[in-house]
Amino acid sequence: DAGITQSPRHKVTETGTPVTLRCHQTENHRYMYWYRQDPGHGLRLIHYSYGVKDTDKGEVSDGYSVSRSKTEDFLLTLESATSSQTSVYFCAISESGTAGTEAFFGQGTRLTVV
Amino acid sequence: KNQVEQSPQSLIILEGKNCTLQCNYTVSPFSNLRWYKQDTGRGPVSLTIMTFSENTKSNGRYTATLDADTKQSSLHITASQLSDSASYICVVSARGGSQGNLIFGKGTKLSVKP
Repeated sequence: DAGITQSPRHKVTETGTPVTLRCHQTENHRYMYWYRQDPGHGLRLIHYSYGVKDTDKGEVSDGYSVSRSKTEDFLLTLESATSSQTSVYFCAISESGTAGTEAFFGQGTRLTVV
Repeated sequence: KNQVEQSPQSLIILEGKNCTLQCNYTVSPFSNLRWYKQDTGRGPVSLTIMTFSENTKSNGRYTATLDADTKQSSLHITASQLSDSASYICVVSARGGSQGNLIFGKGTKLSVKP
């Protein structure tokens, strides 16, 4: 899995609580991404980062925030979890942001909001 | 609207048989098309990536084809094995776009039975 570690791998949380998911990479890649995967949908981009402290919104960013204080770590925070955020979350990394660059994915975090 | 459609949604084949998965896209202007394999409970793993000028690319028993004129791609699996059971995801990116602009298909779920 290209030196990408997501934690936790599984989490159950209650509606209204904050949740933080962590993505850690050992590849020194500049770009990092958070996606969510839901039945009936392709992977959808939540936020991405193109460097330390440089982030941008993706297609489904509402209700999520991110932070990247170090090259190797990209955190995804659900400010107040809702049942609609029950999903599998994937972190991905790439060396550059150009369209032809290979992207590598972590193993995913299964989040259940009850 | 940029879209990636895959067919069939699911497929069951017997071990040792061949199969072909389809991907149609409306992404424009086209940059590259990728096929990923996603095992249950794991992140997607890249199989092939093809640019506009490439019409076929192989990775072991996997062969991807691309017809940029008709905006169609296929993934052919030869002599299937039980380990080929997975979801196969077609992903397209637009020229000039970034890694943040990958468009994912919903995937084809392949089951290989003994």
